[in-house]
Amino acid sequence: QVQLVESGGGVVQPGGSLRLSCAASGFTFSDYAIHWVRQAPGKGLEWVAIIQHDGINKFYADSVKGRFTLSRDNSKNTLYLQMDSLRTEDTSFYYCARNGGGSSWSWHFDYWGQGTLVTVSS
Amino acid sequence: IVMTQSPGTLSLSPGERVTLSCRASQTVNSNQLAWYQQKPGQAPRLLIYAASSRATGIPDRFSGSGSGTDFTLTISRLEPEDFAMYYCQQYGDSATFGQGTKVEIK
Repeated sequence: QVQLVESGGGVVQPGGSLRLSCAASGFTFSDYAIHWVRQAPGKGLEWVAIIQHDGINKFYADSVKGRFTLSRDNSKNTLYLQMDSLRTEDTSFYYCARNGGGSSWSWHFDYWGQGTLVTVSS
Repeated sequence: IVMTQSPGTLSLSPGERVTLSCRASQTVNSNQLAWYQQKPGQAPRLLIYAASSRATGIPDRFSGSGSGTDFTLTISRLEPEDFAMYYCQQYGDSATFGQGTKVEIK
């Protein structure tokens, strides 16, 4: 069965950095684009970023552009989100989610991980 | 594209029919509209994509309709497990979510 497992969340001070990982199993990882979606506690959902199946094309929400960097290792079925210059408003649960359209530009999310909490606070 | 869901909260009883609304600030390309269900402490679950296609394993009491800027999620008969938050999401131009509609027990 399809599984996505996030890790790496925690508490970090404003201006600090954190790297999240998303380990995938149960499907051919290299065939799928993967997204990150975040949710501040008690709030709604916000799309953060996508990395295409081959790791070449990446797109970011304006709110994180220039601060967050996506990468993936298809040999390890793992995705990484490097988060730098963190702000208090980045405090959220971060979910990795599989692109429902495979490697296409159909950006809906058919499987989600359980999420990892990132808290940015002094 | 800004997505607006209404109402914010619905108070209903099991067995009732539910209609949730989602309106886009501009036309959603190719009806690229999805609906998700989220329960407290859980990740969202995909219900509907391409405005009207049910995702794998989703019961047929869930249905989606609409086009252009106006979309609807209908639950034909509420089951106890359907009380949750529901989000719409457009993916015709990047990806944006509505603010959600909470379906609560009356």
